[in-house]
Amino acid sequence: SQQGEEDPQALSIQEGENATMNCSYKTSINNLQWYRQNSGRGLVHLILIRSNEREKHSGRLRVTLDTSKKSSSLLITASRAADTASYFCAPEGETSGSRLTFGEGTQLTVNP
Amino acid sequence: GAGVSQSPRYKVAKRGQDVALRCDPISGHVSLFWYQQALGQGPEFLTYFQNEAQLDKSGLPSDRFFAERPEGSVSTLKIQRTQQEDSAVYLCASSLGYTVEQYFGPGTRLTVT
Repeated sequence: SQQGEEDPQALSIQEGENATMNCSYKTSINNLQWYRQNSGRGLVHLILIRSNEREKHSGRLRVTLDTSKKSSSLLITASRAADTASYFCAPEGETSGSRLTFGEGTQLTVNP
Repeated sequence: GAGVSQSPRYKVAKRGQDVALRCDPISGHVSLFWYQQALGQGPEFLTYFQNEAQLDKSGLPSDRFFAERPEGSVSTLKIQRTQQEDSAVYLCASSLGYTVEQYFGPGTRLTVT
């Protein structure tokens, strides 16, 4: 199946620092989505990048996509304690229909 | 409604009991998905509906799992003869249609004792 694998598994930084998480996948995709999950707000969609896009921004989030390397990265700038959460990438394969396949996620801890 | 709602939020079942989990998607959302999330893992796809049609049920782990969405809005995930390995959070998501972001509910935490 088209599963994203996030790296690193865990990341701990200080407030104000930037956090970078990476995602790799195996087959061709239509798009790739990033989600965040914390105990307070559940699983929330952050950003979607299509296969013909290379970079996308949303507030303090920047996502890049390199289809030749089958990888994506999520950058959170000027991190806050409230960014503490698990982050998942979900590549949508060309043949997988609408189903999303999540990896194990990156657990980000932002220390105040 | 404002978002996807699920009920109950918590369910404890004795092994062998049947359970029914409900999902109310965002009004007007055509697509509805069920996922199972074990502790420390990412969500795993179970099944997908477009309106009332179940288009993909390849993720259902056994024939004890059954999902329906008879009128194309509310959906129910039923698990018969629950087993301990069924303990997980069951997430429901809805979306407007094909290849767009999914909006998740808070989940139902099922504990089978």
